[in-house]
Amino acid sequence: QVQLVQSGAEVKKPGASVKVSCKASGFTFTDYYMHWVRQAPGQGLEWMGIINPSSGSTGYAQKFQGRVTMTRDTSTSTVYMELSSLRSEDTAVYYCARVRTRFTDMDLDYWGQGTLVTVSS
Amino acid sequence: QSALTQPPSVSGSPGQSVTISCTGTSSDIGSYNRVSWYQQTPGTAPKLIIYEVSNRPSGVPDRFSGSKSGNTASLTISGLQPEDEADYHCSSYTSSSTMFGGGTKLTVL
Repeated sequence: QVQLVQSGAEVKKPGASVKVSCKASGFTFTDYYMHWVRQAPGQGLEWMGIINPSSGSTGYAQKFQGRVTMTRDTSTSTVYMELSSLRSEDTAVYYCARVRTRFTDMDLDYWGQGTLVTVSS
Repeated sequence: QSALTQPPSVSGSPGQSVTISCTGTSSDIGSYNRVSWYQQTPGTAPKLIIYEVSNRPSGVPDRFSGSKSGNTASLTISGLQPEDEADYHCSSYTSSSTMFGGGTKLTVL
């Protein structure tokens, strides 16, 4: 069965960086685009970006350009999201999610459990 | 890019129908039939319930339906059930990126 297992909660100081991992299993890792979405406390979902696990190519939301880096390791079927220059407004639950089919680049049908990142001095 | 616009909350009684709107622009919803809807209960990850405007993934009840007119997409839930109480988020493709709405809290009275 498809599973996306994310790394554990993080507490970071303003200005630091955080790297969240998402280990995939139950499907061919390189066949499906992966997205990162975050949700601040009590807020809606916010799209951060997409990665093609096969090629490693990425696309980021304009808001995060220059601050976010998405990578993958095909040997471990893991995608990573690193966010730098953290500020308090980055406190949120960060999700990785897989697209629905091999033939689309959106419609997220499998989600990780979420990783809470808290930014506080 | 601004988020898609959803009403903060809607409510309905069991058995009734409710519709949640999601308003975008001619650059997103108006240009692409790539609108998705997600259901989220507290403390859990979102669940895909509608894709490509009006398609339901396997296992999603046909009480859930989606549509689009111009720059506005809509999610209709008919025959409301208590377990439908949740947050609902719309999403649209837009020029090599994805946008979400602010989310709508559905209360089943």
